Amino acid sequence: NAGVMQNPRHLVRRRGQEARLRCSPMKGHSHVYWYRQLPEEGLKFMVYLQKENIIDESGMPKERFSAEFPKEGPSILRIQQVVRGDSAAYFCASSPPQGSYGYTFGSGTRLTVV
Amino acid sequence: GESVGLHLPTLSVQEGDNSIINCAYSNSASDYFIWYKQESGKGPQFIIDIRSNMDKRQGQRVTVLLNKTVKHLSLQIAATQPGDSAVYFCAENMANTGKLIFGQGTTLQVKP
Repeated sequence: NAGVMQNPRHLVRRRGQEARLRCSPMKGHSHVYWYRQLPEEGLKFMVYLQKENIIDESGMPKERFSAEFPKEGPSILRIQQVVRGDSAAYFCASSPPQGSYGYTFGSGTRLTVV
Repeated sequence: GESVGLHLPTLSVQEGDNSIINCAYSNSASDYFIWYKQESGKGPQFIIDIRSNMDKRQGQRVTVLLNKTVKHLSLQIAATQPGDSAVYFCAENMANTGKLIFGQGTTLQVKP
């Protein structure tokens, strides 16, 4: 039973480019969450999605960031026109239909903006 | 801002000793609390959780204590081993909203 799969593990982008981060939840999990972690800090909630639905995006920056979880395929976190301040580790987690109990995290994508 | 915080940024213990990592939270509506372990370059790994209707829960070598009166959470690790060296985060969840609020983390260093 594979865990939460994130790819790529490492992503380097130049300022102004787009970054696409992918997350495949655990089998049987229908809820996906994205978190951002800056160096030496805790994880900060960004967005909570179910299939084809954004449940809570209160942690998403107002501009340049978007997330989706389509009916088929992985969840995507998209960052347009990246800036150096976007450099961070981005973690995805998934949970069963009953919600946040049983939350499992992926290994993260480390984004570096140069 | 964050409602969950940790008292000590770094804890250094001798191998074989017991470790206690503390956490304060401020949201009295939170009803579910989790401790995570994060090793360098990896994602958070679930250690143990506790619901607000309990004040203690034990796992293998770990115990979580919850004091709702003073909004305090602690993680006790018995017979600490070198493999326990990591950053430990507490997180809280309010009424199954899905969103976890994390503290900043405590680094546990185990000396051989």
